[in-house]
Amino acid sequence: DTAVSQTPKYLVTQMGNDKSIKCEQNLGHDTMYWYKQDSKKFLKIMFSYNNKELIINETVPNRFSPKSPDKAHLNLHINSLELGDSAVYFCASSPSRVGTQYFGPGTRLLVL
Amino acid sequence: AQSVAQPEDQVNVAEGNPLTVKCTYSVSGNPYLFWYVQYPNRGLQFLLKYITGDNLVKGSYGFEAEFNKSQTSFHLKKPSALVSDSALYFCAVSEPSGGGSQGNLIFGKGTKLSVKP
Repeated sequence: DTAVSQTPKYLVTQMGNDKSIKCEQNLGHDTMYWYKQDSKKFLKIMFSYNNKELIINETVPNRFSPKSPDKAHLNLHINSLELGDSAVYFCASSPSRVGTQYFGPGTRLLVL
Repeated sequence: AQSVAQPEDQVNVAEGNPLTVKCTYSVSGNPYLFWYVQYPNRGLQFLLKYITGDNLVKGSYGFEAEFNKSQTSFHLKKPSALVSDSALYFCAVSEPSGGGSQGNLIFGKGTKLSVKP
């Protein structure tokens, strides 16, 4: 019973393509997040989503868009993929905006 | 702006010896501080957190951390290291209350812990 799950685990695609990464949490949490981990292992927040309120990190290109069909899901859509988008993307959830965050296993995206 | 510093890229320890992984922070207001561990090709696992109260926080797998407000530090410690503790450790601070970015974690760059038999 994985608490925070992501699909796919690996994603290899060509530049210019559009792709989606799915995230689901079965913890009943109210807040979900997307983080990006680059090749140097540096982690940075991309989005947080709480009670239909989306907070976007201003450094995230608008090619990235999160979509939440319901409280348990926060999917990440990426348009016109670029080489620099290659990274590991982590989804996380927490019971509240200041609660402990629990992370998914990550999606390794490689753009060729 | 809030920030977290992990001054060591790597910490090497012999199995059975005590270990310390350092973390300092800069944040306005009262910080919420966290330690996470990442094993190779895995997600981040929560170890422990400091919100308020006792400065010594105990967490998973025998780890503990000491909050020191005057030194703005939150060092991770373990009395006796195991080879299986070898992993990448991240210190993080949560954005303080108020503002749209409340709750977002700001991570340090990570410290690779290597425990040798």
